[in-house]
Amino acid sequence: GAGVSQSPSNKVTEKGKDVELRCDPISGHTALYWYRQSLGQGLEFLIYFQGNSAPDKSGLPSDRFSAERTGGSVSTLTIQRTQQEDSAVYLCASSFTPTTFYNEQFFGPGTRLTVL
Amino acid sequence: RKEVEQDPGPFNVPEGATVAFNCTYSNSASQSFFWYRQDCRKEPKLLMSVYSSGNEDGRFTAQLNRASQYISLLIRDSKLSDSATYLCVVKGSGAGSYQLTFGKGTKLSVIP
Repeated sequence: GAGVSQSPSNKVTEKGKDVELRCDPISGHTALYWYRQSLGQGLEFLIYFQGNSAPDKSGLPSDRFSAERTGGSVSTLTIQRTQQEDSAVYLCASSFTPTTFYNEQFFGPGTRLTVL
Repeated sequence: RKEVEQDPGPFNVPEGATVAFNCTYSNSASQSFFWYRQDCRKEPKLLMSVYSSGNEDGRFTAQLNRASQYISLLIRDSKLSDSATYLCVVKGSGAGSYQLTFGKGTKLSVIP
């Protein structure tokens, strides 16, 4: 079956511009997660959705970052007024009931964002 | 202390060798543990979960020591296709039980 998909796969933007990153989770997965992976760093948790609600936004680095999810499916991560330090790979993952102990998160291929 | 710590490597081993990776975690209340594999410029994929009693999947053996907050992964008879970065992952408990915390990964290169 189809996995998690993300678009665009690559995005190059100029400092100060806004960008939108999209994630299509696996059908039927109620939980959706956004992570960021900077060069040489581990994956950094950004935000988690259960359905259309985001009970935990604590990982968002600043108020320039926002995310929404509609219809319990597609999610969009928006970065306003991009800065060079926002350059990273943004990964989306989805899963069934998130609190089950050994519930696997399936990752999309990521969006590689470069801010010039 | 970082939440999940791993030796970054790289580990360069010949084909057929046995290699072991270690990981420590700081949150003693963590409930679930995993090893993910990440190929270069690809997304992470689950390699195996790590259970309290230890578990094996073919050439891969994972062990957990809750008292020492230590997780290990052993790869026997290394193949060229095992070359990747191995991520130690810990899942929270209670209110944070959905969240995965990743180590920075250990890079493995298997050499012909």
